[in-house]
Amino acid sequence: ETGVTQSPTHLIKTRGQQVTLRCSSQSGHNTVSWYQQALGQGPQFIFQYYREEENGRGNFPPRFSGLQFPNYSSELNVNALELDDSALYLCASSLETNRDNEQFFGPGTRLTVL
Amino acid sequence: AQKVTQAQTEISVVEKEDVTLDCVYETRDTTYYLFWYKQPPSGELVFLIRRNSFDEQNEISGRYSWNFQKSTSSFNFTITASQVVDSAVYFCALSEAWGAQKLVFGQGTRLTINP
Repeated sequence: ETGVTQSPTHLIKTRGQQVTLRCSSQSGHNTVSWYQQALGQGPQFIFQYYREEENGRGNFPPRFSGLQFPNYSSELNVNALELDDSALYLCASSLETNRDNEQFFGPGTRLTVL
Repeated sequence: AQKVTQAQTEISVVEKEDVTLDCVYETRDTTYYLFWYKQPPSGELVFLIRRNSFDEQNEISGRYSWNFQKSTSSFNFTITASQVVDSAVYFCALSEAWGAQKLVFGQGTRLTINP
């Protein structure tokens, strides 16, 4: 276990709805990254938060937004859900953004959009 | 743009065989990092190894070994004497050295070890 937790484990939504996914980082980690993993694909970087500020974003539309709280936990919000948003959403935490610091991944939230 | 290619979608071998997972990458950066992750059915990505672009030494860790060759932009992973517990999806990933700690993943190789 990495100490990174995500909730909920599974979620079913319908097209057009909004969803919030949560991630608790490993103790002491101030950096959280979110990834989307479609079935049979590798994870794709959505964005990263470092000390409560967005620190980089992948090729995702603005309806994907996030927050990082003072305790460094994080939320991923997705508005106007589309069928293609069905995926496993992974978060990863690390201490600082230094590449020598390992990113620890959580077990993911599996989102199904009907 | 950065890109990682894992040409082998699925590999199936019998227990105790050696198996090599291929990874080819593209980047314009001169400084970068390469990674291998394992994803068991539970979904959690498990970190296996990190290499920076200045360190081309091969590495061995128990039954695992990695062969990094900048000349061919490859970072291959070999499991010696495979075991059923090695069954998982394996991902190779690339990260630039600066900015966000963004990992660019390949599509993964599903490895099945049969008893």
